[in-house]
Amino acid sequence: AQSVSQHNHHVILSEAASLELGCNYSYGGTVNLFWYVQYPGQHLQLLLKYFSGDPLVKGIKGFEAEFIKSKFSFNLRKPSVQWSDTAEYFCAVGGTGGGNKLTFGTGTQLKVEL
Amino acid sequence: GAGVSQSPSNKVTEKGKDVELRCDPISGHTALYWYRQRLGQGLEFLIYFQGNSAPDKSGLPSDRFSAERTGESVSTLTIQRTQQEDSAVYLCASSWREDTQYFGPGTRLTVL
Repeated sequence: AQSVSQHNHHVILSEAASLELGCNYSYGGTVNLFWYVQYPGQHLQLLLKYFSGDPLVKGIKGFEAEFIKSKFSFNLRKPSVQWSDTAEYFCAVGGTGGGNKLTFGTGTQLKVEL
Repeated sequence: GAGVSQSPSNKVTEKGKDVELRCDPISGHTALYWYRQRLGQGLEFLIYFQGNSAPDKSGLPSDRFSAERTGESVSTLTIQRTQQEDSAVYLCASSWREDTQYFGPGTRLTVL
């Protein structure tokens, strides 16, 4: 069965610092890759996704992620974080057979300090 | 348009009781998923419905869990004889075929 690893469980940054959150998955075939975000008190919402094509994907609010097939990775980046980016971030893998049921990582709690 | 809605938002029950959770997907979405998130863990797939096809129940943790969906609309997740380990947030998501999943706010279930 596929698995998703998020290596950073808690990250604390100051405003304007750069962000990189790691995500690695175990499935060797074709995958769909996602980053979801959950702001305090809100639903999970899609940040960005990769299905095919350009491995550098741009999402909302200045986030981007790069799919590196050889490393089974899909790391999330933002050059300059804001206090409003405080949230929990989840990496997910889908499309591994039988619909697009998603396998999620355990999440990274990001706190951005003023 | 309206997003995915779930009810109730919170449910407290006693061990051994049955509970029913409801999900209203986005209108027109053919696929519906149930996940659960236990404290400190990622989301865990439970069951998937796609149109009139047989549901993928591969994620259901035991035969105490079941789900139904009426056509391409409402779904209910039923947990019989609840146990304390069933305490979690239960999330529903819907999508157009196998495209992006949109999540509801979840139902927080607490089993005492």
